Amino acid sequence: EVQLLQSGGGLVQPGGSLRLSCTASGFTFSSYAMRWVRQAPVKGLEWVATVSTSGGRTDYADFVEGRFTISRDNSKNTVYLQLNSLRAEDTAVYYCVKEWGGPIFDYWGQGTLVTVSS
Amino acid sequence: DIQMTQSPSSLSASVGDRVTITCRASQSISYYINWYQQKPGKAPKLLIYAASSLQSGVPSRFSGSGSGTDFTLTISGLQPEDFATYFCQQSYTSPLYSVPLTFGGGTKVEIK
Repeated sequence: EVQLLQSGGGLVQPGGSLRLSCTASGFTFSSYAMRWVRQAPVKGLEWVATVSTSGGRTDYADFVEGRFTISRDNSKNTVYLQLNSLRAEDTAVYYCVKEWGGPIFDYWGQGTLVTVSS
Repeated sequence: DIQMTQSPSSLSASVGDRVTITCRASQSISYYINWYQQKPGKAPKLLIYAASSLQSGVPSRFSGSGSGTDFTLTISGLQPEDFATYFCQQSYTSPLYSVPLTFGGGTKVEIK
């Protein structure tokens, strides 16, 4: 059974940092690109970042503006999202997603809430 | 970026009804559209990929159609477990430039 188990998240002040983790099981992790998608009440679903199978290629949404870093450790079956210089508008539930084909999201993590507030 | 305009934003329907949700892309995306169902407090679930292919395990009352810019998701015979929010997502890619993937705004299907 495919599972994506997320951890991290929580309440952080504007300008602060957080690291989200997502540990995969039930499939050959190193064979699939992984993404982070977020969902805020006002803006709906937004793609945040993508990491290739090896981790050698990454891509980000424009709104990231160099503040976030996606990475993966295939030896630990884990993908990460480092969030820096957080803003109130980054408040959202963040999902890690497994990419199948191009790009179709066949499995999602349970989601983790990031709240940016003073 | 490719804009996905989904309509209606909400609808009320009864068990057994046929429900149609539409998504319009701001430019042609061929058949590169996927549909997801999301229930409150849960992650989205893939229903349809590549416009009309049913994901494994999804009931056959769900179907998708369309190509180019106009697409529909149809639920034939709404069941109690189908009351949820539905999203479209374009998955168009280009070998020449980066195309950010985008989602529609969602359609909330409520009980009449």
